[in-house]
Amino acid sequence: GENVGLHLPTLSVQEGDNSIINCAYSNSASDYFIWYKQESGKGPQFIIDIRSNMDKRQGQRVTVLLNKTVKHLSLQIAATQPGDSAVYFCAENMENSGYSTLTFGKGTMLLVSP
Amino acid sequence: DSGVTQTPKHLITATGQRVTLRCSPRSGDLSVYWYQQSLDQGLQFLIQYYNGEERAKGNILERFSAQQFPDLHSELNLSSLELGDSALYFCASSVRDSYNSPLHFGNGTRLTVT
Repeated sequence: GENVGLHLPTLSVQEGDNSIINCAYSNSASDYFIWYKQESGKGPQFIIDIRSNMDKRQGQRVTVLLNKTVKHLSLQIAATQPGDSAVYFCAENMENSGYSTLTFGKGTMLLVSP
Repeated sequence: DSGVTQTPKHLITATGQRVTLRCSPRSGDLSVYWYQQSLDQGLQFLIQYYNGEERAKGNILERFSAQQFPDLHSELNLSSLELGDSALYFCASSVRDSYNSPLHFGNGTRLTVT
């Protein structure tokens, strides 16, 4: 895949397990966070977002947790399916020289075996 | 399908050449962003346009330029190409001009410089 050269951290799970993907962000002033999923040959796909005034947000089979104290974000996927296999990126919105930029983490590869 | 269309999907060209990548944002989105994804650098922000005007610049080389047209489609021009420019180039769009709304990505243009 496109991200092999990055030596991505990899999480391997069995189908039906719950998955937790972690992300440490860099800027304590970041106020908006997004999780993206990228399958091979495709662009990043929006999964879920969270604003800094929240510490938890739930979607369909996914939950994002935000711990601002330690600058940590996690994505929990319930009942993981083979179709969830992809690279997952967290992104943070930070101010930079007067404008906002969305900065992506390096990504985590999730491998789901049947 | 994100609604963001990028053409071409693949581009192979020689060093020193110039190419143009095209992006059509989702219907109703006014902001267009360009990102570069390489094996060793992850997703890097290049440039953002909002309603035809440049809004923010990231790690974009002087050999690269972009514009957004009145119909809101955008083009990224890469000139004097070098081997190191080989990468995936993604366009994303959003409704607003800030990063406090999700970006929706196209499936990218894979550029190979030989």
